[in-house]
Amino acid sequence: EAQVTQNPRYLITVTGKKLTVTCSQNMNHEYMSWYRQDPGLGLRQIYYSMNVEVTDKGDVPEGYKVSRKEKRNFPLILESPSPNQTSLYFCASSLTPQGYGANVLTFGAGSRLTVL
Amino acid sequence: AQSVTQLDSQVPVFEEAPVELRCNYSSSVSVYLFWYVQYPNQGLQLLLKYLSGSTLVKGINGFEAEFNKSQTSFHLRKPSVHISDTAEYFCAVSGHGGTSYGKLTFGQGTILTVHP
Repeated sequence: EAQVTQNPRYLITVTGKKLTVTCSQNMNHEYMSWYRQDPGLGLRQIYYSMNVEVTDKGDVPEGYKVSRKEKRNFPLILESPSPNQTSLYFCASSLTPQGYGANVLTFGAGSRLTVL
Repeated sequence: AQSVTQLDSQVPVFEEAPVELRCNYSSSVSVYLFWYVQYPNQGLQLLLKYLSGSTLVKGINGFEAEFNKSQTSFHLRKPSVHISDTAEYFCAVSGHGGTSYGKLTFGQGTILTVHP
């Protein structure tokens, strides 16, 4: 089944404890992206990747890191989490990074992160 | 720069009634427009998209949307809703041309609740 898989789905952690949210897609998609969803704010893009080894900042990149060493994986790293990073996180991918195709996204099921 | 405003944060409606979810956008370039739906505890999935051509776009599950360039709107409609349509709906815009090429911006979301 074509899908985007995120892990963990739920995580409670404490301030300053490094964590990684993994994201993997099995569709050979070039474009991958991370979003956070907060009530009343919709989805905001954190980072995106147009292809392997090509990443760039989205609208809210502060406090996050990403890497794209392989086409299928795009982990989100929180080096020193803070309570304001408590949110619902979504990974998404699309076949192409160009044109409207970049916007036809397949989303993962989400990872709910709580930072105490 | 581009932006999206969803005019209603919550829309309650009775089953079999018609519904309209309103979306306005702004962009300095031509746009692609999208509606995504998020069912409870799931990721987002594409409902429909406007790329060019006919301004009335049909999507999955009986939804349709109309692109109105003069009013910069892309309202989502369904003539008769079902309990299973209860979800959060996101309008999104992507400019093509200029510096906003390929970037997808989401609205704040509208929670549609269908009551029996």
